Amino acid sequence: EAQVTQNPRYLITVTGKKLTVTCSQNMNHEYMSWYRQDPGLGLRQIYYSMNVEVTDKGDVPEGYKVSRKEKRNFPLILESPSPNQTSLYFCASSLKGGSYEQYFGPGTRLTVT
Amino acid sequence: GDSVTQMEGPVTLSEEAFLTINCTYTATGYPSLFWYVQYPGEGLQLLLKATKADDKGSNKGFEATYRKETTSFHLEKGSVQVSDSAVYFCALSDLPGANNLFFGTGTRLTVIP
Repeated sequence: EAQVTQNPRYLITVTGKKLTVTCSQNMNHEYMSWYRQDPGLGLRQIYYSMNVEVTDKGDVPEGYKVSRKEKRNFPLILESPSPNQTSLYFCASSLKGGSYEQYFGPGTRLTVT
Repeated sequence: GDSVTQMEGPVTLSEEAFLTINCTYTATGYPSLFWYVQYPGEGLQLLLKATKADDKGSNKGFEATYRKETTSFHLEKGSVQVSDSAVYFCALSDLPGANNLFFGTGTRLTVIP
């Protein structure tokens, strides 16, 4: 089954404790992206990757890191989480970019206390 | 720059009512237009799309027509069901293959029996 998986689905952590949210897709997609969703703000892009070893900042990259060492995986790293990073995070992938259908993961709800 | 404006919610309708969710866009080129839907507890999924003027996208009883003269892509359904309760996002992309997907802020629809 074609899908995007994210782990964990729920995470409660404390300020400053490094964490990684994993994202994996099994569709051989070149493009992957991370979004955060906050009430009243819709979806905002954090980082994206056009292909392996090619990543770039989205609209709200501060406080986040990503890497794309393999085509299927695109982890999101929070080196020192802060309460303002409490949000619902989505990973997405598509064949080649924004104009292609985006496939979204189920989301990761992160709470930073 | 490119942007999408969609009607603010929430929208509450009775079952079998007619639905319209307005979406207008600003773009410099000839964008592709999308509606994504987010069911409770899930990631977004593509509902329908249109890639050129006067195209009509349709799926699951929903329709939207790409109107270049009014820069609009309104979502309609003739008879909503309780299972249509979700958040609906209008989006555009005007550069194939690039990181170029702009989302509206989403409209929450609740359908009551």
